[in-house]
Amino acid sequence: QKEVEQNSGPLSVPEGAIASLNCTYSDRGSQSFFWYRQYSGKSPELIMFIYSNGDKEDGRFTAQLNKASQYVSLLIRDSQPSDSATYLCAVNMRGSNYKLTFGKGTLLTVNP
Amino acid sequence: ETGVTQTPRHLVMGMTNKKSLKCEQHLGHNAMYWYKQSAKKPLELMFVYNFKEQTENNSVPSRFSPECPNSSHLFLHLHTLQPEDSALYLCASSPEGQGPNQPQHFGDGTRLSIL
Repeated sequence: QKEVEQNSGPLSVPEGAIASLNCTYSDRGSQSFFWYRQYSGKSPELIMFIYSNGDKEDGRFTAQLNKASQYVSLLIRDSQPSDSATYLCAVNMRGSNYKLTFGKGTLLTVNP
Repeated sequence: ETGVTQTPRHLVMGMTNKKSLKCEQHLGHNAMYWYKQSAKKPLELMFVYNFKEQTENNSVPSRFSPECPNSSHLFLHLHTLQPEDSALYLCASSPEGQGPNQPQHFGDGTRLSIL
């Protein structure tokens, strides 16, 4: 069973702090990794994707990938109350090029 | 019109009713997907269409019947549903259904309630 694991949270951080969201996956052959943000009652919104080991930065967001450890993370710098949402990790696994396997998501709360 | 549009946004139906969900994408993508999102569960892939051809049926009960008349439109026909089918149904699209690096873009979903 191919799996993507996330801590369900809630993860609570003060405004202005760095929020760190983590995700592990079971398939070592996984090729691409996506982070989605989902506000309550809304659809998932793609915020970052990463394909290669290392860091990828986009504004306040940094995705980090370590394929050897089968670990991908999302850092949110200068967290804002508007960042409060559920963050979904999705992994494109070997043998299923077009299928994304999603984690259950981590609920992030940024306190003013 | 932008992105992926789903209608209706909310649907309440009885177990004997027949209804359809509609999805339209304006991104020029060639692959479309149906997902089910239930509380406390990960997103579950239901169906995949690539260039109008169904390429994935993830063991979905036959009471759910997809239709993809062209690369821009996707339907999910519903009949004789069960209470456990109540969920948020999400449509997504991606440039292609093949290849590893294909970000999927989601519509706003249809909140379905079965009485």
